[in-house]
Amino acid sequence: QKEVEQNSGPLSVPEGAIASLNCTYSDRGSQSFFWYRQYSGKSPELIMFIYSNGDKEDGRFTAQLNKASQYVSLLIRDSQPSDSATYLCAVESGGGADGLTFGKGTHLIIQP
Amino acid sequence: GAVVSQHPSRVICKSGTSVKIECRSLDFQATTMFWYRQFPKQSLMLMATSNEGSKATYEQGVEKDKFLINHASLTLSTLTVTSAHPEDSSFYICSARVGMTEQYFGPGTRLTVT
Repeated sequence: QKEVEQNSGPLSVPEGAIASLNCTYSDRGSQSFFWYRQYSGKSPELIMFIYSNGDKEDGRFTAQLNKASQYVSLLIRDSQPSDSATYLCAVESGGGADGLTFGKGTHLIIQP
Repeated sequence: GAVVSQHPSRVICKSGTSVKIECRSLDFQATTMFWYRQFPKQSLMLMATSNEGSKATYEQGVEKDKFLINHASLTLSTLTVTSAHPEDSSFYICSARVGMTEQYFGPGTRLTVT
């Protein structure tokens, strides 16, 4: 059974600070890792994906992957109120052939 | 790029009727599309993988005779919920694979069965 674990939150962060979101996964064979943002009542929006160990930066977002620890994280710098949403961690194991296994998401609140 | 549309966005139907949901990739061809379901305050659960020109692959516990999937072209996959019941009320979201593994999601269809 593939599992993806996230702290459900809410995680409250002051505006302008760094928000740190964490995720662990159970399937050691997982190959691709994704962070999605989901606003209430909307479908998920892809923020970042990462395949290799280490850091990957895109604008204010940095994804970090540690396959040995089966851990992936997302950092959001200079947090804005518009970043308030649920962040879903998703894992893909089959090199593209499989669907995604999602965590339950972390509810992030950016306080103005 | 990578825009996925779904239709309808909302549908209300009576118990026992069937509902068809369309998922289209608008600016790219998708050989593989996925169907997910999300119940309130829960995460997305993969229902099935839809491959163009072949039968869909269903996840364990998903009834293939109840959730009919057709992927007739490289830009269209449909999900038909047959003989819908109130417990099928959910947010149904499709996604299409772009590149190696990235998936982009449609806006979702909220189904309410009365």
